[in-house]
Amino acid sequence: SQQGEEDPQALSIQEGENATMNCSYKTSINNLQWYRQNSGRGLVHLILIRSNEREKHSGRLRVTLDTSKKSSSLLITASRAADTASYFCATRKTSGSRLTFGEGTQLTVNP
Amino acid sequence: GAVVSQHPSRVICKSGTSVKIECRSLDFQATTMFWYRQFPKQSLMLMATSNEGSKATYEQGVEKDKFLINHASLTLSTLTVTSAHPEDSSFYICSARKAGNGSTDTQYFGPGTRLTVL
Repeated sequence: SQQGEEDPQALSIQEGENATMNCSYKTSINNLQWYRQNSGRGLVHLILIRSNEREKHSGRLRVTLDTSKKSSSLLITASRAADTASYFCATRKTSGSRLTFGEGTQLTVNP
Repeated sequence: GAVVSQHPSRVICKSGTSVKIECRSLDFQATTMFWYRQFPKQSLMLMATSNEGSKATYEQGVEKDKFLINHASLTLSTLTVTSAHPEDSSFYICSARKAGNGSTDTQYFGPGTRLTVL
């Protein structure tokens, strides 16, 4: 069964707005990763956050992790049309163990 | 960088034929490669994990005789879909993990292969 569940399943916003996507998981984890997938393409690694971290930033991306709630959020600030893609969270139970993907959020940024 | 390539990007075949998909790590050595399948508007489902020089480990429900995986070198893994049927039509994505200590947590994904079985 899928470890991660993402919310919302689909999100449509205007360029310049912020986009927030959430991911929940069921078991304890070592780390959580966010990936982007453009339509019909492979996955691009965005950011990794470890279980002892609460927040990480990378450019316009901000990821938070709340292990007590078993949830993570991905915030994209000042969105661009090029940010249109599916975003997946993926968890690892232990370092080096298999990645388990969530169902993904389809983000559409309208110009 | 860490680039993973897949070939072909798209393939259409007749039912009953076999199709081979190649996955290469172009600028790093990958001790472990992963094969995923993704149906439209769904998430990635892990099919199998392959370690260089050893047999692949298949996930529950994935037929090893139908999806043959070979990981003959540190930069190449192949997935062969044997006797393909229309229900095998899907997007197949490979992923590679770098060799070496402290590098086990980031996987690099290929661009995917769209398989259509007529």
